[in-house]
Amino acid sequence: QKEVEQDPGPLSVPEGAIVSLNCTYSNSAFQYFMWYRQYSRKGPELLMYTYSSGNKEDGRFTAQVDKSSKYISLFIRDSQPSDSATYLCAFHPQGGSEKLVFGKGTKLTVNP
Amino acid sequence: GAVVSQHPSRVICKSGTSVKIECRSLDFQATTMFWYRQFPKKSLMLMATSNEGSKATYEQGVEKDKFLINHASLTLSTLTVTSAQPEDSSFYICSARYRGPASGANVLTFGAGSRLTVL
Repeated sequence: QKEVEQDPGPLSVPEGAIVSLNCTYSNSAFQYFMWYRQYSRKGPELLMYTYSSGNKEDGRFTAQVDKSSKYISLFIRDSQPSDSATYLCAFHPQGGSEKLVFGKGTKLTVNP
Repeated sequence: GAVVSQHPSRVICKSGTSVKIECRSLDFQATTMFWYRQFPKKSLMLMATSNEGSKATYEQGVEKDKFLINHASLTLSTLTVTSAQPEDSSFYICSARYRGPASGANVLTFGAGSRLTVL
């Protein structure tokens, strides 16, 4: 079983749609959960960061973590063409290696 | 805050030459920086962990003599691709860690990446 699974897409939605991006993981040691957004030919930028189960909201973005199911999600409300990018989930264990473990990324296109 | 600057953003070189990529933390000190490589439509592949004042730690399968890493100060790490070959053409991204709001958490800030093309 892979440590992190993320559907690579591509995912194409109309402007204004609600987008749901998901990752599953198998390592119970993961305690910190992140979502990065990467525009084409750019480095990833941190979007959301959380360390507990439940929801965390920031503007149009909501990160959801379910530790019991080892499942995290990123929801984008009222999606915009500027949201078109690749979204990477990332994980970090408590007190362990400083290395982040990344998903392969989901490519999202929001069509105007 | 927590900005990482990477230079050059794009470089084209001939086979056999060496190319140096710089990674700077602009507004914070980074004792640890990470170098990643990314192929088209693929995720980030960690190459090495760069520690200020000590030798870098390379991931399995990464050639130490091919990819030289130097972390001479708390704000600068460099990656030198030696005797570059066409198969070294890729997108190289550096990152630096800074403490997240929760104790024990490490969040990475990434540079904009450097696209290397070896002819």
